[in-house]
Amino acid sequence: DTEVTQTPKHLVMGMTNKKSLKCEQHMGHRAMYWYKQKAKKPPELMFVYSYEKLSINESVPSRFSPECPNSSLLNLHLHALQPEDSALYLCASGRGGRTEAFFGQGTRLTVV
Amino acid sequence: KQEVTQIPAALSVPEGENLVLNCSFTDSAIYNLQWFRQDPGKGLTSLLLIQSSQREQTSGRLNASLDKSSGRSTLYIAASQPGDSATYLCAVGDFGNEKLTFGTGTRLTIIP
Repeated sequence: DTEVTQTPKHLVMGMTNKKSLKCEQHMGHRAMYWYKQKAKKPPELMFVYSYEKLSINESVPSRFSPECPNSSLLNLHLHALQPEDSALYLCASGRGGRTEAFFGQGTRLTVV
Repeated sequence: KQEVTQIPAALSVPEGENLVLNCSFTDSAIYNLQWFRQDPGKGLTSLLLIQSSQREQTSGRLNASLDKSSGRSTLYIAASQPGDSATYLCAVGDFGNEKLTFGTGTRLTIIP
């Protein structure tokens, strides 16, 4: 099983809303990632968790708040987003280091 | 800072042809290089992973090569099919951290 599951698949939210994106993997991977992808652009790294601890924050605005409640789950809490935050948000997991990364199908986020 | 470039940005070929996609990177201090496929609006599907110590990897009709010293990788697709139409992304695993830096992508169209 090489599946990374993201929910919801689509999300529309207002600029004053609070919402959360969820990501789950059951492959025993120690590293989990959030990427943001704008249309016709490559994915850009946002956060990396290693052994449930935040190891990389790519200077992401505080309106994005990641959380790793356990080794299988990764959340991205959203608050007071801007329309320019509309994008495809991708979760990935891997064993870290030299190993392969597996991506979920993404959440298409629209901020209105 | 690692920069990854893919040429061409778009490619259209008739069905049945063999083709080569190119990926170049600026910093040769890498752990590995991974090739992904992305269908429109979808997540990323891992195709091949090449470790920095390897020269090539093969999976079915796909063959990926790596020349770390020159900062280049190629993805060879044999006997192309319409189902191969997608955007192909290469991603470099930087030495010493958990980051994947993505290339700009090649949008491939196979003409039936």
